[in-house]
Amino acid sequence: QVQLQESGPGLVKPSGTLSLTCSVSGGSIFSSNWWTWIRQPPGKGLEWIGEIYHSGTTNYNPSLKSRVTISVEKSRNQFSLELSSMSAADTAVYYCARRGTEYYYESSSYFFDYWGQGTLVTVSS
Amino acid sequence: SSELTQDPAMSVALGQTVRITCQGDSLRNYYASWYRQKPGRAPVFVMYGENSRPSGIPDRFSGSSSGNTASLIITGALAEDEADYYCYSRDSSSDHYYVFGTGTKVTVL
Repeated sequence: QVQLQESGPGLVKPSGTLSLTCSVSGGSIFSSNWWTWIRQPPGKGLEWIGEIYHSGTTNYNPSLKSRVTISVEKSRNQFSLELSSMSAADTAVYYCARRGTEYYYESSSYFFDYWGQGTLVTVSS
Repeated sequence: SSELTQDPAMSVALGQTVRITCQGDSLRNYYASWYRQKPGRAPVFVMYGENSRPSGIPDRFSGSSSGNTASLIITGALAEDEADYYCYSRDSSSDHYYVFGTGTKVTVL
């Protein structure tokens, strides 16, 4: 059973940089999956932040792209998120998740089959 | 970028059927996946593809897709199905951008 666990500070100062790590157990980060960060502001919906493949290839949400870096630490079976220039609008629960893909004739489906429990990050001085 | 639009809220009587919809241009090219989220908990994966359930998801959950609309259907709703539901898919305006639906809060009466 694959398990993901987020770790990092729960409080970040305005204009600071958030650094979170997601540790993967029960499975390999070298699998044919993409490793994703998602966030959810209090009382609001889910927002896709970005993803990384074990090769290091990344995809980012265009609205966050200038501030986001996702990296992978293969030897530790971990991947990480850095989000710079934090503001109160970045206060959210941050989740890591594993993204899989199913291919069909003329279509495909993308899904998150494993999630971390989430970690609340508050931006405040 | 495209959006995935869901009704903000729906209600269903205990034991009845509810259809939760997700609309967006990208759904003409890609299937949605669906997630159930209860307060204070991480989302749970409940549906993908045309109508495929992950292991452990009961068969009262089913899915369908037509044109720009994907649906998650709960047949015989239980009290435990009261939750927020989100769809998710790939954006058709970019090769590698993904988006969640706006979310639907389902209340079981």
